[in-house]
Amino acid sequence: DIVMTQSPLPSPVTLGQPASISCRSSQSLVHIDGNTYLNWLQQRPGQPPRLLISEISNRFSGVPDRFSGSGAGTDFTLKISRVEAEDVGVYYCMQGKQLPWTFGQGTKVEIK
Amino acid sequence: EVQLVESGGDLVQPGGSLRLSCAASGFTFSSYWMTWVRQAPGMGLEWVASIDNVGSATYYADSVKGRFTISRDNAKTSLFLQMDSLRAEDTAVYYCGKVITGAADHWGQGSLVTVSS
Repeated sequence: DIVMTQSPLPSPVTLGQPASISCRSSQSLVHIDGNTYLNWLQQRPGQPPRLLISEISNRFSGVPDRFSGSGAGTDFTLKISRVEAEDVGVYYCMQGKQLPWTFGQGTKVEIK
Repeated sequence: EVQLVESGGDLVQPGGSLRLSCAASGFTFSSYWMTWVRQAPGMGLEWVASIDNVGSATYYADSVKGRFTISRDNAKTSLFLQMDSLRAEDTAVYYCGKVITGAADHWGQGSLVTVSS
């Protein structure tokens, strides 16, 4: 199975400031079809998960452009350019390259 | 608008059985793979099972293989998860998801399964 490892945020984030979450996979997420199936999900308190970004950097419908994804191979980053109050929650990276799908342990975004 | 609504969660004793349902609407159900993902209380996400769009291919996490069965009824646009020989560690909120290549792009609100005596 592919192991996904996320970094914690160092401290609560100040409103309007940027935040960056890192994710590393135990093996390359480049599929035989040439695509890289690394996704980011957001889970607000008491809510189901929500797809934010697919294939490293494709924002899903309705996702604000302050969210962006980058990376390649085994190292990936989710950036929030200016954190807003509604961004509070837990963020998961997830690989969809192969079954079993596997998730990072989650990174909590809290507001200072 | 895509909607996924889970039902069937309950309190069940260890060794018991439960069947979860997921009613889908707002998309051509028979064209998409579907999946179940669970989340134990206070924990992260765990993929449970997936099924192809016609129900002929199924895939399971090792932790549930041989005990859970995923199925679908395309005529009724519904997804199911039959859970047998339940254990305390199966306690979780179970989410159904609509699958696109390499991801689930829509998720239901979840159904809570509690396994306890």
